[in-house]
Amino acid sequence: EAGVAQSPRYKIIEKRQSVAFWCNPISGHATLYWYQQILGQGPKLLIQFQNNGVVDDSQLPKDRFSAERLKGVDSTLKIQPAKLEDSAVYLCASSIISGRGNEQFFGPGTRLTVL
Amino acid sequence: QKEVEQDPGPLSVPEGAIVSLNCTYSNSAFQYFMWYRQYSRKGPELLMYTYSSGNKEDGRFTAQVDKSSKYISLFIRDSQPSDSATYLCAMSASGNKLVFGAGTILRVKS
Repeated sequence: EAGVAQSPRYKIIEKRQSVAFWCNPISGHATLYWYQQILGQGPKLLIQFQNNGVVDDSQLPKDRFSAERLKGVDSTLKIQPAKLEDSAVYLCASSIISGRGNEQFFGPGTRLTVL
Repeated sequence: QKEVEQDPGPLSVPEGAIVSLNCTYSNSAFQYFMWYRQYSRKGPELLMYTYSSGNKEDGRFTAQVDKSSKYISLFIRDSQPSDSATYLCAMSASGNKLVFGAGTILRVKS
């Protein structure tokens, strides 16, 4: 079974530029998450989708971050304009109910550096 | 105060040692408790899952949850160099939205 795919793996931009990340979840997983992981910290949930709909975006900085999940499969996360403090790894995860609860499977992440 | 507190380490142990990793939390609504392992430049992977209080064992790994003390632990027996990674505790009230600790860096020396 293929895992969660993310691209690009690395991105370097100047502050005030825009950037977009792409995620392809595991086939059949209805729930998709975007997390932000700053160096030395645990992942922080930015947004959760159930199929096409947003379940939780309470920690998404909506003045600069946006996300969409078209057709309930792939998702994109955009930052516009980027700030220095946005430097982090952006993780995408998808989940399925298993014997281990709502098990989330993570992609390798996109490492963003804002200069 | 953070909802989940975890000592970042690093924790350095010799091969074969028993490792103890811990987290404390403040939200009494948490009832799902997980441990994730994250290798460098990779995403986290689920290692252990526990619902409510008690112990769960899986091979060399044992997870313990003490809800009365708001304290969870992960024990690794016979630690191996391949266990060197960052270990993240994670918790949830609903089973859906996870709150992660900062992660503990573990280094197992051969």
